[in-house]
Amino acid sequence: DTAVSQTPKYLVTQMGNDKSIKCEQNLGHDTMYWYKQDSKKFLKIMFSYNNKELIINETVPNRFSPKSPDKAHLNLHINSLELGDSAVYFCASSQGGLSTGELFFGEGSRLTVL
Amino acid sequence: GESVGLHLPTLSVQEGDNSIINCAYSNSASDYFIWYKQESGKGPQFIIDIRSNMDKRQGQRVTVLLNKTVKHLSLQIAATQPGDSAVYFCAENRGTSGTYKYIFGTGTRLKVLA
Repeated sequence: DTAVSQTPKYLVTQMGNDKSIKCEQNLGHDTMYWYKQDSKKFLKIMFSYNNKELIINETVPNRFSPKSPDKAHLNLHINSLELGDSAVYFCASSQGGLSTGELFFGEGSRLTVL
Repeated sequence: GESVGLHLPTLSVQEGDNSIINCAYSNSASDYFIWYKQESGKGPQFIIDIRSNMDKRQGQRVTVLLNKTVKHLSLQIAATQPGDSAVYFCAENRGTSGTYKYIFGTGTRLKVLA
């Protein structure tokens, strides 16, 4: 069983389109994250949710809207895609609280905007 | 943006030798650090962590050293194997009140030479 799964793995789309990436974790964790990894491998946090509540929003353009229907799911919707949005997007989860806080990452969703 | 560490360097090591990967972090208040390994096409995977009240922690073939005076982390891999080839990231936790906000370094690519 995959602990953190994201779909789709690859996404190719035109500028201006709207797209979504879905993420699910079966680890029973309270906290989920979205990270963006650029072409230079730099990983930057975008959002974090704890029990469906937004706790971290790293000044991401409001074209990006995360949604957490329950604590096992965190989806990312992107409106009006731009060339600079091309990257690999990673979902992650952690137990949080007094635990170690280790992040468990999904396999990534490679978004290419043409 | 915030960053930890240097530009993505490459470290080439002969199989069987020891590897040392270094990382500089910027926030003296960070209390928890993790090393991650990212293989090509996959998400980052936890290797080892260390809290700020420690200066050394050992795992299986890996050791993390923390020098808070100079804000420096290192990951030592003993008897490096071909399967160790990957990009390695350090991450510091800047979250508060039990939350985890990880800031990742830019990574080091480790190449193991046969």
